[in-house]
Amino acid sequence: QVQLVQSGAEVKKPGSSVKVSCKASGGTFSSYGISWVRQAPGQGLEWMGEIIPKPAIANFAQKFQGRVTITADESTGTAYMELSSLRSEDTAVYYCAGRTLVRGAPTPYYYGMDVWGQGTTVTVSS
Amino acid sequence: DIQMTQSPSSLSASVGDRVTITCRASQSISRYLNWYQQKPGKAPKLLIYAASSLQSGVPSRFSGSGSGTDFTLTISSLQPEDFATYHCQQSSSPPYTFGQGTKLEIK
Repeated sequence: QVQLVQSGAEVKKPGSSVKVSCKASGGTFSSYGISWVRQAPGQGLEWMGEIIPKPAIANFAQKFQGRVTITADESTGTAYMELSSLRSEDTAVYYCAGRTLVRGAPTPYYYGMDVWGQGTTVTVSS
Repeated sequence: DIQMTQSPSSLSASVGDRVTITCRASQSISRYLNWYQQKPGKAPKLLIYAASSLQSGVPSRFSGSGSGTDFTLTISSLQPEDFATYHCQQSSSPPYTFGQGTKLEIK
């Protein structure tokens, strides 16, 4: 099964951007949809969006439209999430998570997200 | 967006207890509901998908049920490693929202 390894912690100023990477190993990258889920301190999980690496189709939660960019580099098996115009409320642990792409599944997330990265802490502070 | 509400928010129980956590959706989601377990400082782990299907490798003491708007996660006999936070997630339509989590603590 694929394993996901994320980039390290980041400290950013308000108004700046952050780009987090998620590298897949041990499996076929294109067999997974890669989601980004964040968790603010002491809070629940929040789905931000996802990308299907092939053919590089991305979907986002409306809340993050215009601020988030999700991309994938199939040649390196790496997905990226870039969040711009950072504010203090964006301080959170950001996870990438993979869901196996199953042809004919009733809904895209029917089988859940079965592999997760270790998380990347992003702190937004002046 | 579909709102997911879990109850209780926290729960104290003892090893060997049977516990049930509830998740309610703001509209019908058929059986499109997943459950995750999260331990402190760790990423979530998929336990159950499609309301009642056990993910490979998950102990059989975990079970899920429900359809429409009301769902439950049951742990038949709590083990020490089960003390964690549990999250439900609807997989019906985007954005794929989560409940606020239920923290299961040792009594």
